[in-house]
Amino acid sequence: QKEVEQDPGPLSVPEGAIVSLNCTYSNSAFQYFMWYRQYSRKGPELLMYTYSSGNKEDGRFTAQVDKSSKYISLFIRDSQPSDSATYLCAMRGIQGAQKLVFGQGTRLTINP
Amino acid sequence: GAVVSQHPSWVICKSGTSVKIECRSLDFQATTMFWYRQFPKQSLMLMATSNEGSKATYEQGVEKDKFLINHASLTLSTLTVTSAHPEDSSFYICSASVSSGIRYTDTQYFGPGTRLTVL
Repeated sequence: QKEVEQDPGPLSVPEGAIVSLNCTYSNSAFQYFMWYRQYSRKGPELLMYTYSSGNKEDGRFTAQVDKSSKYISLFIRDSQPSDSATYLCAMRGIQGAQKLVFGQGTRLTINP
Repeated sequence: GAVVSQHPSWVICKSGTSVKIECRSLDFQATTMFWYRQFPKQSLMLMATSNEGSKATYEQGVEKDKFLINHASLTLSTLTVTSAHPEDSSFYICSASVSSGIRYTDTQYFGPGTRLTVL
């Protein structure tokens, strides 16, 4: 079993829809959670960074963390074609090195 | 802020040659840099963790003699793929960790990646 599970998709939705992306994890030591967006042939771009359980909002993006269920989500409101990319969840613990454990990534396409 | 660059962005080389990839943090000092490789439609695979002035720590299964990492300064790390072969063709991405002064909030910012094609 992978430490972090993420549905690879692909996910295709119409422009303007609300998108929900999710990851589950098995390691309770994970305390920091990130969402990265990666366009084709580019490096990942940090979108959201969260620590505590609950919601964090930034513009059209909301990150949600539920540590009791070991489940994290990223919501995109009013989705735009420019949001079409691969979204990677990543997480790490407190102890030791700062290594991130990534999900497989979800390929998202927003159709005009 | 927190911009990371890589050079070159794309390189083609002949089998048996060595290729050097540079990773620079442009507007911050990075005590730790990471090197990843990524195959098409797959997630990032961590190759090694590099701290300035010390030897890199390689992940299990990564050949340290083949993938030489040098982290000579707080803004520059290099990855050299020695005696490259077609199976080394991949997308190589570096990241740099920004120290906020509070260790547990450090996060990684990624470079744009380098596409290596070995003929």
